Amino acid sequence: EIVLTQSPGTLSLSPGARATLSCRASQTVRNANLAWYQQKPGQAPRLLIFGASNRATGIPDRFSVSGSGSDFTLTISRLEPEDFAVYYCQQYGSSPVTFGQGTKLEIK
Amino acid sequence: QLQLQESGPGLVKPSETLSLTCALSGGSITSTETYWGWLRQPPGKGLEWIGSIDYRGRTYDNPSLKSRVTVSADTSKNQFSLNLNSVTAADTAVYYCSRVTASGWFEDWGQGLLVTVSS
Repeated sequence: EIVLTQSPGTLSLSPGARATLSCRASQTVRNANLAWYQQKPGQAPRLLIFGASNRATGIPDRFSVSGSGSDFTLTISRLEPEDFAVYYCQQYGSSPVTFGQGTKLEIK
Repeated sequence: QLQLQESGPGLVKPSETLSLTCALSGGSITSTETYWGWLRQPPGKGLEWIGSIDYRGRTYDNPSLKSRVTVSADTSKNQFSLNLNSVTAADTAVYYCSRVTASGWFEDWGQGLLVTVSS
């Protein structure tokens, strides 16, 4: 199975800053079949981005993804208070689908 | 708008079977090109896909769970279910049901249900 490694484990930034979260796969993610989710405490994950770069309904354009092959990056261009959460990447190009261990984005 | 709601016991004894149900509202379990899945998240840890069922009733499960998983659907009740047998404390987690796209990402989620395995 494909192992996804997210870094950093924790990212401490201030509102208004730019956040860069990494997701690295143990092998090429076929067709860039990668999704990103946001999870806040006590809540279910919420789909942010699928197909490597398509924002889900209602997701603001400050969220963007770049990368290909086995290296992907989620960028939040200008952090809002509601963006502080845990972020997970997920690959669905190979079975079984797998998730990264998450990056916690916290307020500095 | 689609809503999913998990239900089932919050406490299961070791070696027994964990059984959960996910009820759908605002959508049909027979929607074409749609899959329905179960995931879990141990306390303080990441997400793990458990298994899915598609609109034709075909099932898929994570090999890491060593064939302990059964996913089924009841179209008359517009719900689907998870059975996980021979549970241990390692199966303690929040369990989520989800609408899965045919491509494989998890579009909609239930609120989650904490299941604890303990005697």
